Amino acid sequence: TQLLEQSPQFLSIQEGENLTVYCNSSSVFSSLQWYRQEPGEGPVLLVTVVTGGEVKKLKRLTFQFGDARKDSSLHITAAQPGDTGLYLCAGLVGGADGLTFGKGTHLIIQP
Amino acid sequence: GAVVSQHPSWVICKSGTSVKIECRSLDFQATTMFWYRQFPKQSLMLMATSNEGSKATYEQGVEKDKFLINHASLTLSTLTVTSAHPEDSSFYICSALGQYNQPQHFGDGTRLSIL
Repeated sequence: TQLLEQSPQFLSIQEGENLTVYCNSSSVFSSLQWYRQEPGEGPVLLVTVVTGGEVKKLKRLTFQFGDARKDSSLHITAAQPGDTGLYLCAGLVGGADGLTFGKGTHLIIQP
Repeated sequence: GAVVSQHPSWVICKSGTSVKIECRSLDFQATTMFWYRQFPKQSLMLMATSNEGSKATYEQGVEKDKFLINHASLTLSTLTVTSAHPEDSSFYICSALGQYNQPQHFGDGTRLSIL
């Protein structure tokens, strides 16, 4: 069974600050995905990282995949209230497998 | 982009009732669909993998006779919660995978409340 440890579980910061969310595992994943989920809705895909050491940027969000493909991070620069939400990392072992989700990070950005 | 539709979005029913949830891929054929369950303030947990034309594969601890899955076509999978009890109350979410192992696309979930 693959496990993904996601931290922090809860984070409340002021608008304009930077933050980093981490996902760590002892298992190797073929790819890792980051999702954002609003209350009462399904997760929405933000990014997929596939290659060890890969870095992807999505505006103020920077995603990294560890060299060994066991860990990943999400860094948000100059956080805004609109970034508030639940962020989930999810790892995939095989292409047709179900996703293993981390426990999620509840992020609150205070104006 | 790929769209997955889930129906109904909210169900409230009495204990002992069976409830069917539908998951449809609207603009692509999904050879594989997945069913997840999410309890309040928790993350998604994979329940089962549904493959078109074959039996579903259930994760450890998920009762296959309790959660019946049917994937009769390339665009529809159904999850039936049989004889539902209050402990089955949860947010059920499906996702669909296309033919080329695209990223999974999620439905908007079904909130199931058993009284």
